[in-house]
Amino acid sequence: AQSVTQLGSHVSVSEGALVLLRCNYSSSVPPYLFWYVQYPNQGLQLLLKYTTGATLVKGINGFEAEFKKSETSFHLTKPSAHMSDAAEYFCAVSDRGGGYQKVTFGTGTKLQVIP
Amino acid sequence: DADVTQTPRNRITKTGKRIMLECSQTKGHDRMYWYRQDPGLGLQLIYYSFDVKDINKGEISDGYSVSRQAQAKFSLSLESAIPNQTALYFCATATNSYNEQFFGPGTRLTVL
Repeated sequence: AQSVTQLGSHVSVSEGALVLLRCNYSSSVPPYLFWYVQYPNQGLQLLLKYTTGATLVKGINGFEAEFKKSETSFHLTKPSAHMSDAAEYFCAVSDRGGGYQKVTFGTGTKLQVIP
Repeated sequence: DADVTQTPRNRITKTGKRIMLECSQTKGHDRMYWYRQDPGLGLQLIYYSFDVKDINKGEISDGYSVSRQAQAKFSLSLESAIPNQTALYFCATATNSYNEQFFGPGTRLTVL
C-alpha cells in the first residue's frame, strides 16, 4: 500500500527565512503528487500538484515543489516565509490509472512563522 | 463560486445519539468523499462515491453509513455515536482526472 511520510510534525522558521517541508512517498511508480494547506478552522486547499512534465511545480502564494523520482520525494519550498504562511501542510499522493485510485495523505506539518 | 458546503459546522452530541452530517457541492463533480481528521493522524477515508449508485467503504467505515441523495449531495451518518468518533469531518469532491480533491470547510463533532 502507498504511504506518505512528512518529516517533522512541527517546523518553525523566522519571517523572511526559507521554508522547507519534506515529503517522501513509497510507490515505485511515480504517482500524482499534491500539497494542500489548511488554515485554522478551514478545509484543505490545493497549493500545487505534479501530474506530468516539468518536475519543478509552482503553486499559489509563492510555494513550489520539486518531484525527484530517484529520491521518491516531493519537498515543498518557499524562499521567504511570511506570517500568513502559518498553517498546517499536507502532502498527498494518488496512484495513476483508471477507476478508483486512493488518495493517501501524510500526517501533516504545522508551520510556525516567528516574527 | 462553485463550492463544497457542509452542515453543521459544529455539533456536540451525546453517546448513543444518531447524527447526520450533510455535504453539498456545486462543482459538478461525480466523485465525493468523507474523511475524518484526528490530530497527528492526517486524513482517513470513511466512504467514497463515484455516482449516486456507486458507494464504497473506505479504510475506517465501521460505525458510519452514507447516503448519496443526488449527484450534488452526500450525507454521513453516525447511527449510534461514541466518544472516539469525536473528530473533524471533511467532505470532498474530486475531478475524474488526477483525483485532485476539493474540500468543504469541515464539521467539528464532539461526542460526550
